[in-house]
Amino acid sequence: SQTIHQWPATLVQPVGSPLSLECTVEGTSNPNLYWYRQAAGRGLQLLFYSVGIGQISSEVPQNLSASRPQDRQFILSSKKLLLSDSGFYLCAWSVIGPHRVANTEAFFGQGTRLTVV
Amino acid sequence: AQKVTQAQTEISVVEKEDVTLDCVYETRDTTYYLFWYKQPPSGELVFLIRRNSFDEQNEISGRYSWNFQKSTSSFNFTITASQVVDSAVYFCALSEVYNQGGKLIFGQGTELSVKP
Repeated sequence: SQTIHQWPATLVQPVGSPLSLECTVEGTSNPNLYWYRQAAGRGLQLLFYSVGIGQISSEVPQNLSASRPQDRQFILSSKKLLLSDSGFYLCAWSVIGPHRVANTEAFFGQGTRLTVV
Repeated sequence: AQKVTQAQTEISVVEKEDVTLDCVYETRDTTYYLFWYKQPPSGELVFLIRRNSFDEQNEISGRYSWNFQKSTSSFNFTITASQVVDSAVYFCALSEVYNQGGKLIFGQGTELSVKP
C-alpha cells in the first residue's frame, strides 16, 4: 500500500534561517506531488506541485521554493525564513489516470507545523 | 477560474443532531471532480468522498451523506446523528479533470464542534 512520510512534525526556526522540509512517498511510481500551506485562517493554499522529476510549478510568488530530486521525494525550501512563513505545511500525492485525467483524490502527509520566531 | 466557497466558518451542534455543511463551487469546465476531506485536531487530512461531475446521484455512507446538485453548483455534506468524534474541520475541494497536475482547490473549511 502507499504511504507518505513528511518530517519534521514540528519546527521552530528564527527569522532569516534556512528551511528544508522533506516528503517521500512509498508504494507508487510517478506520483503527482504537492505542497500546501495552511495558515491560521484554516484555508489550504497550494504552493507547488510537480508532475515529474525536476518539474516544479509554483502557484503563488513567495519566499519558498520546491525541488523534486527523485521520483518520490519532494522538498520545500527557503534560504531565509520570514515571520509570514509560519504555518502548517502539508505534502500530498495523487496519481493521474489514463489520458491524463485527474480523477483521483490526493493523499496527505501528517504535516509540519512551522513557527518562525 | 475555479473556486470553492464554504460559507459556514463554524458550526456547533449537540450530539445526535443532524448537521449539513455547505459547499458551492465555480468552474468553467464541464468535467470535474469534487471532494470532501476531514481534518481532525491531529492535522492530517482524511479523504472522505470523491464525486465526478456526471454523477449526480446522492451518496450515503453510514451516517454520512452527500447531495450533489449541478444546477446550483453545490456539493453539500450531511452528518446524521452527529457524534463528538465528528468534531473536526471539513474541507470541500474541486479538481478540474484536465488541469495540469491534478491539483485540488480547497474551500476555507468549516469547523464543526459536536458537544456531548
